[in-house]
Amino acid sequence: NAGVTQTPKFQVLKTGQSMTLQCAQDMNHNSMYWYRQDPGMGLRLIYYSASEGTTDKGEVPNGYNVSRLNKREFSLRLESAAPSQTSVYFCANRAGAVVETQYFGPGTRLLVL
Amino acid sequence: GQQLNQSPQSMFIQEGEDVSMNCTSSSIFNTWLWYKQDPGEGPVLLIALYKAGELTSNGRLTAQFGITRKDSFLNISASIPSDVGIYFCAGPWGTYKYIFGTGTRLKVLA
Repeated sequence: NAGVTQTPKFQVLKTGQSMTLQCAQDMNHNSMYWYRQDPGMGLRLIYYSASEGTTDKGEVPNGYNVSRLNKREFSLRLESAAPSQTSVYFCANRAGAVVETQYFGPGTRLLVL
Repeated sequence: GQQLNQSPQSMFIQEGEDVSMNCTSSSIFNTWLWYKQDPGEGPVLLIALYKAGELTSNGRLTAQFGITRKDSFLNISASIPSDVGIYFCAGPWGTYKYIFGTGTRLKVLA
């Protein structure tokens, strides 16, 4: 089992370009998340999806959109990339109820020039 | 907004030494999670705490839930080079969200 996978691993964009970060899980968990990680800032929640068909804003949603395509997949889209979106992006899912924890993907490193 | 403060921000230790770090909040948490992030990887759960005063171990790691439920502690005994990384505390925030601390960066000198 791969757990949580993300593509691509690295990406360089020019300001104004768009792209979609892909995330997939094989753990059959209902909830999925997108975080960004910046130096000294910890992990900040961009969007989350409590279950298939629902999405909600997190702490820093501006400039992003998400799609919960099905239970397995949760994508993050940057419509018009800005240098401030240079970051490392992590997708995660959640095992709730009895065991409260999140499982993270390996991350996508994005540089916006 | 809600914040989790981790201390220290970074630390250098000699191999074999014990390490202690803590996480504090302005609010009560019923669950505390401790993660480790290796360079270039995503965070991985080390220990989950569910009860006030609870002490849970995972090999050389021990974490404790503070009595007030506003803090938590992580201890690493007899550190080794592979303990290098960033350690994050986290807690549930609302039904589906989590809040993370800013991390403690650990560097081990062989």
